[in-house]
Amino acid sequence: GNSVTQMEGPVTLSEEAFLTINCTYTATGYPSLFWYVQYPGEGLQLLLKATKADDKGSNKGFEATYRKETTSFHLEKGSVQVSDSAVYFCALTRYSGNTPLVFGKGTRLSVIA
Amino acid sequence: GAVVSQHPSWVICKSGTSVKIECRSLDFQATTMFWYRQFPKQSLMLMATSNEGSKATYEQGVEKDKFLINHASLTLSTLTVTSAHPEDSSFYICSARGFQQGRSNQPQHFGDGTRLSIL
Repeated sequence: GNSVTQMEGPVTLSEEAFLTINCTYTATGYPSLFWYVQYPGEGLQLLLKATKADDKGSNKGFEATYRKETTSFHLEKGSVQVSDSAVYFCALTRYSGNTPLVFGKGTRLSVIA
Repeated sequence: GAVVSQHPSWVICKSGTSVKIECRSLDFQATTMFWYRQFPKQSLMLMATSNEGSKATYEQGVEKDKFLINHASLTLSTLTVTSAHPEDSSFYICSARGFQQGRSNQPQHFGDGTRLSIL
């Protein structure tokens, strides 16, 4: 079945450090890939997405590239801020009617000043 | 953009109480709704999928008599936790997917979640 594996957290970085959160997936066919962010006490917000191989999703300085050859969708940001502290979830879906998003376990990021 | 409203955002109640959580799509018709449960510091676990006007499909291990899901209209789904007990305390998140003629790639939109605490 479809599954998502992302790096274990927590990840603690100093402000302005470079961020990478690894995500790999297993799926039949060609899923769409997503990164969601969850701030403390809140629901999920879509951060970025990519729907086909070699697509790059980007938003708020975050980027991720859909790599079919390595089945990966790693999240990166060149310079993190304290306000980026949150839990980040990698997810995939086949976008077919009743097929829900499948989430990774989440990676907690803490950015310290 | 598409908005999903989930209500209430926080519930504290006594053991044995039944609690209803509403999920509304405000500016689109949600043909499919998903209910997730999230334990502290863990990922989202899919509980059930519902389509408007039909019975929900529950994931393995989710008690359908415990978690009643109703999707009576294209803009509203409800989750009722019946006779709630402390072990039902969790963060519940709904998600809705719309339908657009001729376009299959409709995304899931999420509500802000409901934090349920059973004393």
